[in-house]
Amino acid sequence: DAGVIQSPRHEVTEMGQEVTLRCKPISGHDYLFWYRQTMMRGLELLIYFNNNVPIDDSGMPEDRFSAKMPNASFSTLKIQPSEPRDSAVYFCASSLTENYGYTFGSGTRLTVV
Amino acid sequence: DQQVKQNSPSLSVQEGRISILNCDYTNSMFDYFLWYKKYPAEGPTFLISISSIKDKNEDGRFTVFLNKSAKHLSLHIVPSQPGDSAVYFCAARGTSGGSYIPTFGRGTSLIVHP
Repeated sequence: DAGVIQSPRHEVTEMGQEVTLRCKPISGHDYLFWYRQTMMRGLELLIYFNNNVPIDDSGMPEDRFSAKMPNASFSTLKIQPSEPRDSAVYFCASSLTENYGYTFGSGTRLTVV
Repeated sequence: DQQVKQNSPSLSVQEGRISILNCDYTNSMFDYFLWYKKYPAEGPTFLISISSIKDKNEDGRFTVFLNKSAKHLSLHIVPSQPGDSAVYFCAARGTSGGSYIPTFGRGTSLIVHP
């Protein structure tokens, strides 16, 4: 298996633009997580899905953020409109269980200018 | 409010010496603890874990110690190697009554000098 695949690896966008981050989880993993890494807050959970259904989105910072999982092999995290404070590395992870065995993707480094 | 705290953003040690990375937590519901390692341009990978029923878990050069009364854990790397240079994240979660999803700290950047 190729692991968790995220795209793009890097994204530079202007403030106000829409940004879409993509994730392909490991086949057979029922759980998918979106994390954001910043210097100030470390790795923080934004949202997670179980069997394509959002379970907890309490970590999503604002209504500007939305996430979808239309099928078991694909998820998106969208920011609209983007702001400079959204600049961070966004990780997607998948696992067989809710609490163990997370496999992370390589992340998307987002820069909003 | 950070429930998992890694108060040292960085640590520098000499090759062959011991590296000690510290982590504190505030949530009494946490009873399972994990360390992840992250290289640049890669995602975090699981390193070692410990349950609250233990106070020590060892895996090769890596040992995690847990002090429940102090709500403190530490990761010891002996001997440290240049390939250990990475960011180390401490994480904690519960096993009952909720809090199943790990909560991560800010990370500590370890640099091991040859």
